[in-house]
Amino acid sequence: SQQGEEDPQALSIQEGENATMNCSYKTSINNLQWYRQNSGRGLVHLILIRSNEREKHSGRLRVTLDTSKKSSSLLITASRAADTASYFCATATAGNKLTFGGGTRVLVKP
Amino acid sequence: DARVTQTPRHKVTEMGQEVTMRCQPILGHNTVFWYRQTMMQGLELLAYFRNRAPLDDSGMPKDRFSAEMPDATLATLKIQPSEPRDSAVYFCASVLGGLDTQYFGPGTRLTVL
Repeated sequence: SQQGEEDPQALSIQEGENATMNCSYKTSINNLQWYRQNSGRGLVHLILIRSNEREKHSGRLRVTLDTSKKSSSLLITASRAADTASYFCATATAGNKLTFGGGTRVLVKP
Repeated sequence: DARVTQTPRHKVTEMGQEVTMRCQPILGHNTVFWYRQTMMQGLELLAYFRNRAPLDDSGMPKDRFSAEMPDATLATLKIQPSEPRDSAVYFCASVLGGLDTQYFGPGTRLTVL
């Protein structure tokens, strides 16, 4: 069963625009992670936010976490064609176990 | 450039055949995960090991799937007998115990006819 549900399922934007996707989860977590998957490839870790953090930045990525609402968002600023991929949130509980959401497919049009 | 490797990258087999997938974790990583990705179910955790010992294989169909770590540099996932519903991409990931970032391999795309 999936812990995280992502919204939207798909997103199409122009290069240079910002992309925002959301993730909701059900149970208490240690941390929440975002991964990117290019078509036909494995997942690449993007950013991790711990349960006691509210916001984190990494380059053009900004992640927020609201544990009271059990939700997180990933913002990609100034998107590029190379950002075209599927983005997954994953919640971590004890023992590094990750439970992934269904993913958001992002298409950045040049 | 340390990375997780998986073999084979693609496998096509017929129903009833045995399938073995292999994973070489990043050297020094002591925790290894097996995931399965399908369009319908998304990414599912099948099993994971720490220091070669199985910690959780509750996501794995026990009757036909088995996972082992014969040594610290090799993890295997075996399906016997395979069925068409096992068609999926199987990913291995490794992490250094105590840390959080999982490093994924490129996956094995399995097609069972």
